[in-house]
Amino acid sequence: AQSVSQHNHHVILSEAASLELGCNYSYGGTVNLFWYVQYPGQHLQLLLKYFSGDPLVKGIKGFEAEFIKSKFSFNLRKPSVQWSDTAEYFCAVNSLNDMRFGAGTRLTVKP
Amino acid sequence: NAGVTQTPKFRVLKTGQSMTLLCAQDMNHEYMYWYRQDPGMGLRLIHYSVGEGTTAKGEVPDGYNVSRLKKQNFLLGLESAAPSQTSVYFCASSFGDADSVTQYFGPGTRLLVL
Repeated sequence: AQSVSQHNHHVILSEAASLELGCNYSYGGTVNLFWYVQYPGQHLQLLLKYFSGDPLVKGIKGFEAEFIKSKFSFNLRKPSVQWSDTAEYFCAVNSLNDMRFGAGTRLTVKP
Repeated sequence: NAGVTQTPKFRVLKTGQSMTLLCAQDMNHEYMYWYRQDPGMGLRLIHYSVGEGTTAKGEVPDGYNVSRLKKQNFLLGLESAAPSQTSVYFCASSFGDADSVTQYFGPGTRLLVL
C-alpha cells in the first residue's frame, strides 16, 4: 500500500522567514499529489495540486510545490511566511481512488 | 451552494451506543469519503463510495458501516461505539474521474466515546 511521509511534525518560524515542508511518498505508479491546509478550528482546504505537466505548481496564498519524480517528493514552499499561515499542512497522494494523507506538519509563525 | 455539510458537529457517546453521522453535498459529486483524523496520524480513509448505491472499504473500516442510498448523502454508522473511535470525522466528496479527484471537505464531526 502506498504511504505518505511528512518529516517535520512541528515547524516554528518567524514572519518573513522562508518555508519548506517535506513530503515523500511510496508508490511507483501514476499519482496525483495534493497539499491541504487546515487553519485552527476549520476544515481542510486545498492549497495546490499536481496532476501532470509542469512539476512546479503554484497554489493559493503564495504557496508552491515541486514534484520531483525521481525522489518521490512533493515539497511545499513559500518564500516569506505570514502569521496567518499558522495552520496544519497535509500532503496527500491519490492513486486509483486510494487517497493517503501524511500525518501533517503543524506550522507556527511568530509575529 | 453549501458544499459539504456534516451533522452533528459534536457528539458524546457511551461505550456500546450506536449513532449515525450524516454527510451531504450539493455539488453533484459522484464520489464521497469518510475519514477520521487523529493526532499525529493525519487523515485515514474509513470507507468511500464511487456512486449511489455503492460503498467500499478504505484503510480503517473496522467498526464502521456506511450507506449511500442517495447520491448527495453518505452516512457513517457506528453500531457499538468504542473509546478507540474517539476522533474527528471528516466527510469529503469529489467528481471522481481521473482529472477531477480533488476532494472537498466538510467541517468535521467531533466524537467522544466514553
